[in-house]
Amino acid sequence: GAGVSQSPRYKVAKRGQDVALRCDPISGHVSLFWYQQALGQGPEFLTYFQNEAQLDKSGLPSDRFFAERPEGSVSTLKIQRTQQEDSAVYLCASRGTGGSRTEAFFGQGTRLTVV
Amino acid sequence: KQEVTQIPAALSVPEGENLVLNCSFTDSAIYNLQWFRQDPGKGLTSLLLIQSSQREQTSGRLNASLDKSSGRSTLYIAASQPGDSATYLCAPAERGFKTIFGAGTRLFVKA
Repeated sequence: GAGVSQSPRYKVAKRGQDVALRCDPISGHVSLFWYQQALGQGPEFLTYFQNEAQLDKSGLPSDRFFAERPEGSVSTLKIQRTQQEDSAVYLCASRGTGGSRTEAFFGQGTRLTVV
Repeated sequence: KQEVTQIPAALSVPEGENLVLNCSFTDSAIYNLQWFRQDPGKGLTSLLLIQSSQREQTSGRLNASLDKSSGRSTLYIAASQPGDSATYLCAPAERGFKTIFGAGTRLFVKA
């Protein structure tokens, strides 16, 4: 597609509910990143995929957070048993190949509100 | 662990002023550095990318410099306009092209 697409744009979840957030990266981009952005803060790194391999998940805040990219394109970030502190905007980014010339492109994000 | 600091945290200026936004990062082993703009409730828009081998990049009224060895980057905005009002984020890319962000500089340009 023309850009990184995320769905849904907005999600309201009751505390304890499981949610799944989807990211469609730019076609052909091998690298995919997930970030969490709290209100008034910069994005915080969660996890990174190169094709279908999850190479870095050091930013996932707890074992309730799980991400996958089974076919190396679309990715899903799943949050189990949501808590109020999970309320944030979740951003997805993708990069192509091209070494240090390669830009990261971001989607519009999914705003998650846990009530 | 890479840490990114942006100064000032917020800035309010009259239209027409030239601005300097500062970014510092702790780990100089970066591949490139991007400056992004974020409007309220929106995603991130890439403004400029500087490769690690470059010293600066220019796009229109924007100029970004990079001093990798000292861990600093500067975004210069010439002749600011109200439409420049947004949050500006500095983001060095490190191993695996993982991009780490600062908290941003919130800019308000008054008409």
